[in-house]
Amino acid sequence: SQQGEEDPQALSIQEGENATMNCSYKTSINNLQWYRQNSGRGLVHLILIRSNEREKHSGRLRVTLDTSKKSSSLLITASRAADTASYFCATVSGGSYIPTFGRGTSLIVHP
Amino acid sequence: DAGVIQSPRHEVTEMGQEVTLRCKPISGHNSLFWYRQTMMRGLELLIYFNNNVPIDDSGMPEDRFSAKMPNASFSTLKIQPSEPRDSAVYFCASSFEGLNEQFFGPGTRLTVL
Repeated sequence: SQQGEEDPQALSIQEGENATMNCSYKTSINNLQWYRQNSGRGLVHLILIRSNEREKHSGRLRVTLDTSKKSSSLLITASRAADTASYFCATVSGGSYIPTFGRGTSLIVHP
Repeated sequence: DAGVIQSPRHEVTEMGQEVTLRCKPISGHNSLFWYRQTMMRGLELLIYFNNNVPIDDSGMPEDRFSAKMPNASFSTLKIQPSEPRDSAVYFCASSFEGLNEQFFGPGTRLTVL
């Protein structure tokens, strides 16, 4: 079963706007990771946030983690057309070390 | 480092044929993952190796699928015999210790006619 579930499934915005994607999961985690996948390519790791962290930044990306709500969000600020891609969250639980990916959010940024 | 290398990038074969997908992980990584991605089922973990040993193969669909990792720098995923429903993009990924970020290869797009 897939642990992480992204929301929304699809998001369409204009260049310059912010994009927010959410990920919910069911069981306790060791860490949560966000990945991007451009069409026809492999997934690229964006950010890893550990269970004892609440927020991380990387350039225009901001990830938050709320372990009490079992949810995470990925914010892309000042979006660009090049941000058009699918975004996946993956959760890693302490026992298995096996990451579980969600179905992804498809983001389209219109120039 | 060249990243995770997969071959072939594209494979078109006929039903019943044997298919072998290959992966070279990033040097120094000790965890290797095989995934399958389809529109219907999303990204599915097929098998996970740690230090060349299969740890979890519960995602392997059936006995037609097998995977090996004879050494730290090479892994294969074999489908024999292949069926049209095996058509998908197969990704290999590696990491240093399984719980850290994964590095994905470019994938092999398999089409079984």
